[in-house]
Amino acid sequence: NAGVTQTPKFQVLKTGQSMTLQCAQDMNHEYMSWYRQDPGMGLRLIHYSVGAGITDQGEVPNGYNVSRSTTEDFPLRLLSAAPSQTSVYFCASSYGDGSYEQYFGPGTRLTVT
Amino acid sequence: GENVEQHPSTLSVQEGDSAVIKCTYSDSASNYFPWYKQELGKRPQLIIDIRSNVGEKKDQRIAVTLNKTAKHFSLHITETQPEDSAVYFCGGSQGNLIFGKGTKLSVKP
Repeated sequence: NAGVTQTPKFQVLKTGQSMTLQCAQDMNHEYMSWYRQDPGMGLRLIHYSVGAGITDQGEVPNGYNVSRSTTEDFPLRLLSAAPSQTSVYFCASSYGDGSYEQYFGPGTRLTVT
Repeated sequence: GENVEQHPSTLSVQEGDSAVIKCTYSDSASNYFPWYKQELGKRPQLIIDIRSNVGEKKDQRIAVTLNKTAKHFSLHITETQPEDSAVYFCGGSQGNLIFGKGTKLSVKP
C-alpha cells in the first residue's frame, strides 16, 4: 500500500494564480482532511470530508475549495493564491473521523510570491 | 469549536532526563487526545493517544495522563534519547482533530 500520497512536493505560484493540490489514499478510509502548517502555528484544519460527496469547513477554510467525488481522492483548490497561503500543506486520512489515528501524506510545500 | 493550548513551545533536556509537555482543551465534548511526533522535514506520526474514559496510558518510555475535570492532558517521556528530538503536537477531537501549536523538544547528548 502506498498510504497517503500528495502531489506536487513543491510548488511556487504567483499571486492570483490558481492551482490544485492532489491527495490520494489507498486504505479505503472514509475520513480525509487538509491541514496547513506554519511556523509557530501548529497544524490548522482547512477542510475535511467524512465520505464521498460530503465536505465541510475546518478552522481556516477561506481561500480554499475541496470536493470529494471518490473515496480515494481529496483535492484542495486554491482559487486565487495569496502570499498568506505560503505554507506546508498536509493531507490526512483515517478509518473513522478525527477521533482515530490520522495517516498523513508527505506534504506539499507551497510558496506564493 | 475546540481550542487546544500547548506548553512549552520549546524544551531542552539532557539525555536521560524526563520531558513533560502539557496541553489544555476548551471543549468538554472532546473525547480523544492524541500526540503526534514530527521529525524535521517529515510528516507527523501518532506516538500515543488516550480516550476520555481512561486516565493514563503508557507505551514503553512514553505516557499520557488526562484530567477531564481540569481539561488538561500531558505527555511524559522518560529516559530521553537524542532520537526523541522532534516537534510534538497534542490534539483534541470530538469529531474533527484540532492541534496545539507544537513543542520543539531538543535532547542534548
